[in-house]
Amino acid sequence: AQKITQTQPGMFVQEKEAVTLDCTYDTSDPSYGLFWYKQPSSGEMIFLIYQGSYDQQNATEGRYSLNFQKARKSANLVISASQLGDSAMYFCAMREGMDSSYKLIFGSGTRLLVRP
Amino acid sequence: DSGVTQTPKHLITATGQRVTLRCSPRSGDLSVYWYQQSLDQGLQFLIQYYNGEERAKGNILERFSAQQFPDLHSELNLSSLELGDSALYFCASRGGSSGANVLTFGAGSRLTVL
Repeated sequence: AQKITQTQPGMFVQEKEAVTLDCTYDTSDPSYGLFWYKQPSSGEMIFLIYQGSYDQQNATEGRYSLNFQKARKSANLVISASQLGDSAMYFCAMREGMDSSYKLIFGSGTRLLVRP
Repeated sequence: DSGVTQTPKHLITATGQRVTLRCSPRSGDLSVYWYQQSLDQGLQFLIQYYNGEERAKGNILERFSAQQFPDLHSELNLSSLELGDSALYFCASRGGSSGANVLTFGAGSRLTVL
């Protein structure tokens, strides 16, 4: 079964508008962490934001916020005031449990294109 | 610059050959992770080392092996290469300056097997 599901293969957004990238996850572990990474065309993976399963508030990092709905098992990324440089692949990832390995499971990604 | 250094950036080789990918983690990070990104499989966890010891194994083929050295740099060895091994190989590190919660990725090594 898919642990991380990103249902939007590609999305468009107009520059300066907000966009939401969807991510749902599946785990029975009460302790987990959710991540979003950005991969521009140059290929590197850039960490954007992290949400722990026990965090009471939704995570925010500048123009990025994570809409964490635990009961729905969703962790959507919201990018406000989109910029042309936001055009990239975006990956949602999950860490399960508290073991020391801390390996991440990634979704299939969403390609975002920001239109001028 | 993420602070995680991977070499080489690009590598083209032939089937049956062997290559070594190198990773230097961020200063102070003890954990090193290797991931493979291919078009058909997406991002797959391969293996993790912590302070020189193997900590977790993922979908790593028997033809692949890795190690982490006392200076904490890591190498991923890929042997008997097949066309399907063509992928972007990422190294990531965690802990120390990266913080406990974040995996910091390098720029990747793009392997093309012809």
